[in-house]
Amino acid sequence: GAGVSQSPRYKVAKRGQDVALRCDPISGHVSLFWYQQALGQGPEFLTYFQNEAQLDKSGLPSDRFFAERPEGSVSTLKIQRTQKEDSAVYLCASSLGPLSNQPQHFGDGTRLSIL
Amino acid sequence: KNQVEQSPQSLIILEGKNCTLQCNYTVSPFSNLRWYKQDTGRGPVSLTIMTFSENTKSNGRYTATLDADTKQSSLHITASQLSDSASYICVVTEANYGQNFVFGPGTRLSVLP
Repeated sequence: GAGVSQSPRYKVAKRGQDVALRCDPISGHVSLFWYQQALGQGPEFLTYFQNEAQLDKSGLPSDRFFAERPEGSVSTLKIQRTQKEDSAVYLCASSLGPLSNQPQHFGDGTRLSIL
Repeated sequence: KNQVEQSPQSLIILEGKNCTLQCNYTVSPFSNLRWYKQDTGRGPVSLTIMTFSENTKSNGRYTATLDADTKQSSLHITASQLSDSASYICVVTEANYGQNFVFGPGTRLSVLP
């Protein structure tokens, strides 16, 4: 497809389970971002990749959150031992280059619900 | 602390009317300011990107303005349509920190027939 694709669109898990969220960026896009969006709020930055390098992970809320992009294309956000407060929409975005003045293209997100 | 504030929090207008959404920020140093439209259940879609030297930028019925001196921006929507119902998010990029995008909480716009 032409846009950023995220899967699954919805994920329900029990507290304590591990989850993995996938992001397929636009082909050739160097930069990839993960955001967490609570209901009625703007997205909050989690982490940033330039190709396969994770250049900024300052937004990850705890060491239970881990992201990777091993080949510089597809990225996975993993949350271990999920907690109720992890319930949110997780958005992935990509941009063509590393410059901050380039437009970001967002996927439609994964809505995560922790029971 | 870098912050982006938006007002109003929500807005209801009738189809065909115009409206203006506000964004104030404290992000410094400033690189650029973006407006996004986010439909319910979808990801944000870019409307405009403005750098320090740009005062206004249009995208169809959407016109964004920027006053870098007062650190304010507005998004004006002309002749609103039902499909304009969405959240509008203002995002400011910090200049010396590469990819630091500071998101506002958004304004929820509802356009009624």
